Amino acid sequence: EDQVTQSPEALRLQEGESSSLNCSYTVSGLRGLFWYRQDPGKGPEFLFTLYSAGEEKEKERLKATLTKKESFLHITAPKPEDSATYLCAVQPPDSGYALNFGKGTSLLVTP
Amino acid sequence: KAGVTQTPRYLIKTRGQQVTLSCSPISGHRSVSWYQQTPGQGLQFLFEYFSETQRNKGNFPGRFSGRQFSNSRSEMNVSTLELGDSALYLCASSLSSGSGEQYFGPGTRLTVT
Repeated sequence: EDQVTQSPEALRLQEGESSSLNCSYTVSGLRGLFWYRQDPGKGPEFLFTLYSAGEEKEKERLKATLTKKESFLHITAPKPEDSATYLCAVQPPDSGYALNFGKGTSLLVTP
Repeated sequence: KAGVTQTPRYLIKTRGQQVTLSCSPISGHRSVSWYQQTPGQGLQFLFEYFSETQRNKGNFPGRFSGRQFSNSRSEMNVSTLELGDSALYLCASSLSSGSGEQYFGPGTRLTVT
């Protein structure tokens, strides 16, 4: 059973068209939820850590939020350079806190 | 500060051979984790090393092994390569063991023919 599910798998936005990416998780005793960005041909780049429900983090046009069952990555007025795959990961306590990644959302922002 | 470096960047091997991949972490980072990334399975955790000791291991066969040196550099070895081992192998470093805030290298693209 997947512990982390991301939706949608792919998303195409016009420049300036705000939207949200979803990450739902089934882990109990969450130690942390992490968002990463991966550009083609590169390794993932760390964006945010969220620890508890209600927490929010912001960076430029991105805002990550966390509830007890899911996290959202809100993208406000995106630009073409925001095009990337966004990955969500959790640390299940029964896996020695190894990062368990979702399959990602591939975002394309067109001019 | 220099980022995580991985060598080689690309590798083509034949089924049955073995391969060694190398990773140099960010200076001061003592934890190194390895991941396999494929289109079908996504990013999957292989193992983590901290202070030359394996701290955690994912659900991969024993053909996958690794080690860490006293300067925190790490190597990963895959023996008896199979076609299904074709993937992008990513190394990530962090300050402490078990940290979710990790810094990834560009990866090694391994193709097994």
